[in-house]
Amino acid sequence: AQKVTQAQTEISVVEKEDVTLDCVYETRDTTYYLFWYKQPPSGELVFLIRRNSFDEQNEISGRYSWNFQKSTSSFNFTITASQVVDSAVYFCALSADRGSTLGRLYFGRGTQLTVWP
Amino acid sequence: DGGITQSPKYLFRKEGQNVTLSCEQNLNHDAMYWYRQDPGQGLRLIYYSQIVNDFQKGDIAEGYSVSREKKESFPLTVTSAQKNPTAFYLCASSRTGRVQETQYFGPGTRLLVL
Repeated sequence: AQKVTQAQTEISVVEKEDVTLDCVYETRDTTYYLFWYKQPPSGELVFLIRRNSFDEQNEISGRYSWNFQKSTSSFNFTITASQVVDSAVYFCALSADRGSTLGRLYFGRGTQLTVWP
Repeated sequence: DGGITQSPKYLFRKEGQNVTLSCEQNLNHDAMYWYRQDPGQGLRLIYYSQIVNDFQKGDIAEGYSVSREKKESFPLTVTSAQKNPTAFYLCASSRTGRVQETQYFGPGTRLLVL
């Protein structure tokens, strides 16, 4: 079965602090893809990153960085020097092939990040 | 600008009434999806469609119906059989529907029961 766990329900930090959002996944497939989405108060999900199971290189994009570790089935997301505009719900999601090419996303429950000024 | 539009932004349903949520995309994507989001929950898949005139049930299809007569459109009907329809509904699309494709989301429709 495919499963994504985001154990942190809510996180609060003060502006300029670094914060890491945890994501642990379960799948028996060898080919899979991991995603992070941001949901601001407006409600629309904004795509942040996609990573495939064969690429364990960490990625950095501005203040955002992602740490993918297959050994621990984790795909954690770090925001450096957080800002008030980073306040949102962040979702981690998994897409696995299950022997077919048809894709569907399995979402974690999300982490509500609040950044205080 | 290419994107996904959903209407209405808010929708009110009376007991026993069917309501239809609209989802349109001009991204030329083949695949489209409907998700339901409840407070404190992740997104749960209702229906998805990889091509026109074909769609599959997701995890929580009971009480919902869809159609896919045009590539650009994937309306969702919430029927009276759905006993707890109050939720935030999100539509998404992806280029081919294959496992590696990124899904892009619309702004959502919030459904409330009167």
